[in-house]
Amino acid sequence: DTAVSQTPKYLVTQMGNDKSIKCEQNLGHDTMYWYKQDSKKFLKIMFSYNNKELIINETVPNRFSPKSPDKAHLNLHINSLELGDSAVYFCASSLTDRGLQETQYFGPGTRLLVL
Amino acid sequence: AQSVAQPEDQVNVAEGNPLTVKCTYSVSGNPYLFWYVQYPNRGLQFLLKYITGDNLVKGSYGFEAEFNKSQTSFHLKKPSALVSDSALYFCAVRDMDTGRRALTFGSGTRLQVQP
Repeated sequence: DTAVSQTPKYLVTQMGNDKSIKCEQNLGHDTMYWYKQDSKKFLKIMFSYNNKELIINETVPNRFSPKSPDKAHLNLHINSLELGDSAVYFCASSLTDRGLQETQYFGPGTRLLVL
Repeated sequence: AQSVAQPEDQVNVAEGNPLTVKCTYSVSGNPYLFWYVQYPNRGLQFLLKYITGDNLVKGSYGFEAEFNKSQTSFHLKKPSALVSDSALYFCAVRDMDTGRRALTFGSGTRLQVQP
C-alpha cells in the first residue's frame, strides 16, 4: 500500500550511460515532482507535472527528460550520465486544489552513483 | 523569490529535554510552511504544516511549530525529546500567492538526541 514508490532504489552506472528512474503514486494526486538531493543534503526542485503537463522546469541540463504517461506516473530519463549527477533523486506528489491544503508526499528516493 | 534559512547545521539535546529547530523564511506573498523529517537512507516524511489559522500547529510524533509572521519564523518544537527523534529535519516554504507549487527547502538541521 505504498503511497509514492520509486524504482530502482539504488542505481550504480558508468559515465556516459543512459538510465531511467520510475515513480508511481497511488494517492490519486494530480501533480508530481522530481527533486534532487546532493551530497550535502540540499534539496532542489527539478521538474513538476500537473495532469501530465509540465509546469515547472528548473535550470536542469537537457540531458534530463521527465515523462508523464499518466497522472499516476512520472519518470525521469537521464542521458549521457556525468559524475556530478550522483545524488539522491526524490519523487513527490500532491493534490492541486486552491481550496484545500496541498501537502507533498515523497517517495523513498533513488540513490544514483555515477562512476 | 522564496527562500528558507535553517541557521543550525546540528542541534544536540538530551533525551527528555525540550527541543527547538529553527527556521526563517522569505516569500513575497503569504507562506505555506512545512516541516519534513528524513531518517538515514529514507525518504522525507511529512511532519506538519501551516497554511492559515492558529499560529501554533501540531503535527506527528508530538512535534509542533509556531508561525511568527513578524519574525518570519516557523520554529519546530517538541516538549520532550526522544532518542528516536534523531534525524535530519527540513523546513520548506511555498508562496501561496504566486501559484508556484514547488517547495523551497532549507539546508536541513541534524537533530541528535542523547540518551
